[in-house]
Amino acid sequence: GENVEQHPSTLSVQEGDSAVIKCTYSDSASNYFPWYKQELGKRPQLIIDIRSNVGEKKDQRIAVTLNKTAKHFSLHITETQPEDSAVYFCAPTRGNTGFQKLVFGTGTRLLVSP
Amino acid sequence: DAGVIQSPRHEVTEMGQEVTLRCKPISGHNSLFWYRQTMMRGLELLIYFNNNVPIDDSGMPEDRFSAKMPNASFSTLKIQPSEPRDSAVYFCASSLAQAGGSYNEQFFGPGTRLTVL
Repeated sequence: GENVEQHPSTLSVQEGDSAVIKCTYSDSASNYFPWYKQELGKRPQLIIDIRSNVGEKKDQRIAVTLNKTAKHFSLHITETQPEDSAVYFCAPTRGNTGFQKLVFGTGTRLLVSP
Repeated sequence: DAGVIQSPRHEVTEMGQEVTLRCKPISGHNSLFWYRQTMMRGLELLIYFNNNVPIDDSGMPEDRFSAKMPNASFSTLKIQPSEPRDSAVYFCASSLAQAGGSYNEQFFGPGTRLTVL
């Protein structure tokens, strides 16, 4: 089955610093690469995604980069703020066309200190 | 739209009892997913439906778990009998799956926190 790993498992940064979280996967058929954010006690919510025909996507302070050859994609957060503190999950797709399902990574806990 | 609705939000029960979790997906969505989240195992997909039909139930832990989707606006996840190790947060999510592989965002419900004593 799909093997999804995230690094690091925890990340502590000072407000204003940048944070990078890496996700590696094993299924070469994966073609959709989202990142979800889950605040304490809340539901996971999509924050950014990228498809296999794009190498990088940016949305204000967050960006995702994809390296399909190496089978990894990364979440970049610049100018971090305390409200960025949460657990972040990558979830590359797997499965047949039209019936794809997400496989969530183990999560990265980001703590942004003021 | 009210988003994905789950009930109950919290459930405390005793070992051996039957538990039924309920989910109403976003109107117009044709795919529904049940997840379980624990500290030890993370976020696991249990089962997902497309157009009310179960597509993949390989994540269902054992026969004690069953899920149904009698119509496009309602799904249940049942555990019978429940055990303490079933204690977790159960999320329901829905999305609009499109033919040809185009993938759309999954929207999660608020979750049901289940405690089995």
